[in-house]
Amino acid sequence: QAVVTQEPSLTVSPGGTVTLTCGSSTGAVTSGHYPYWFQQKPGQAPRTLIYDTSNKHSWTPARFSGSLLGGKAALTLSGAQPEDEADYYCLLSYNSVRVFGGGTKLTVL
Amino acid sequence: EVQLVESGGGLVQPGGSLRLSCAASGFTFSSYWMHWVRQAPGKGLVWVSRINSDGNSKSYADSVKGRFTISRDNAKNTLYLQMNSLRAEDTAVYYCASSGDTGSWGQGTLVTVSS
Repeated sequence: QAVVTQEPSLTVSPGGTVTLTCGSSTGAVTSGHYPYWFQQKPGQAPRTLIYDTSNKHSWTPARFSGSLLGGKAALTLSGAQPEDEADYYCLLSYNSVRVFGGGTKLTVL
Repeated sequence: EVQLVESGGGLVQPGGSLRLSCAASGFTFSSYWMHWVRQAPGKGLVWVSRINSDGNSKSYADSVKGRFTISRDNAKNTLYLQMNSLRAEDTAVYYCASSGDTGSWGQGTLVTVSS
């Protein structure tokens, strides 16, 4: 089974920009992996931010964007807010199977 | 408003069975693939299973293959997860989630496998 890798933790200053990445043990991440990004705050269910690489939901703040960058899926947060402090997970599709990354704990400090 | 509500969790002994349900509303359930995802206490998200819109295609994580069965009843707008031969390591909050442009999650239901 493929392994999906994320930075365990990142810190961003309020108003700053940070990019979270999502890599695959099988090689470059492409649009064919249909990358998803989720946000989870303590004690809450996850919330989908991005689907199919870069598509946003109506509830996704405009400061979040998804892309492919250097062979990985990327989630960029531009203009971080204190409420963005959370765990972020990516999900990749491998034919019929899906695999989550281990998550990135984002601190806004 | 899209809503997913899980039920059926609880305490079960190792080797036992449990069936989880996920009631969907606010969207055309029969048009969307659905997933089960779990999260052990203090751990990350783990994908468990998915089913396509008409229920004819299913896939599973290796850790549950042969023990868990995903199904759906589009007439009842309900997703199911039948869990057999449960192990301690299956202890987790189980979430159902919808795919694509619906992108919703339920609140989760806790499954505890313990003697």
